[in-house]
Amino acid sequence: GQNIDQPTEMTATEGAIVQINCTYQTSGFNGLFWYQQHAGEAPTFLSYNVLDGLEEKGRFSSFLSRSKGYSYLLLKELQMKDSASYLCAVRDSAGPGATNKLIFGTGTLLAVQP
Amino acid sequence: GAGVSQSPSNKVTEKGKDVELRCDPISGHTALYWYRQRLGQGLEFLIYFQGNSAPDKSGLPSDRFSAERTGESVSTLTIQRTQQEDSAVYLCASSFSGTSPWETQYFGPGTRLLVL
Repeated sequence: GQNIDQPTEMTATEGAIVQINCTYQTSGFNGLFWYQQHAGEAPTFLSYNVLDGLEEKGRFSSFLSRSKGYSYLLLKELQMKDSASYLCAVRDSAGPGATNKLIFGTGTLLAVQP
Repeated sequence: GAGVSQSPSNKVTEKGKDVELRCDPISGHTALYWYRQRLGQGLEFLIYFQGNSAPDKSGLPSDRFSAERTGESVSTLTIQRTQQEDSAVYLCASSFSGTSPWETQYFGPGTRLLVL
């Protein structure tokens, strides 16, 4: 079956660093995505990993280990506006003839406190 | 347009009524996806369009759900004889071609459907 696991909620302090973990078991793998979703708004793209290792984008970094079925999103220098849900999603197939659909976890609700 | 738009933003309906939800993808995007987000749950895939064709409808939960796309642009998701369990946020996403592994899906703000 298809399964994406991530913690339901996390709390962190403004200015700190937080790591949100995601583990996956899918029939195929063609990339892992992280999206940010503020309450009542559309998910917005944060990062994409298809090869093992770390991808860095400013305050946000994402790591992937395909052999372990594991990823994490690292947020540095936390700001109050980072309070949101963080969605981990796996694309299980890709290319012509494939669906390219994303399989999502339930999301991690991050609360940043002063 | 600048982004994916959806209408209506909110819809309240009575059980048994039909509803139609609309999605306007980013101009030029060939691939279009519908997802559903129930309260406290992750996004569930419903259907995928490549142009005006739907090669994957595997996520549609029942035959009360249907979708079409015209002009390789606007898509409508129709739910017939709505049930209370259909209450959810229906999200539409589009991507450039749907054929590149690294391609990003861009989401609309969603339609919040409440079935009373």
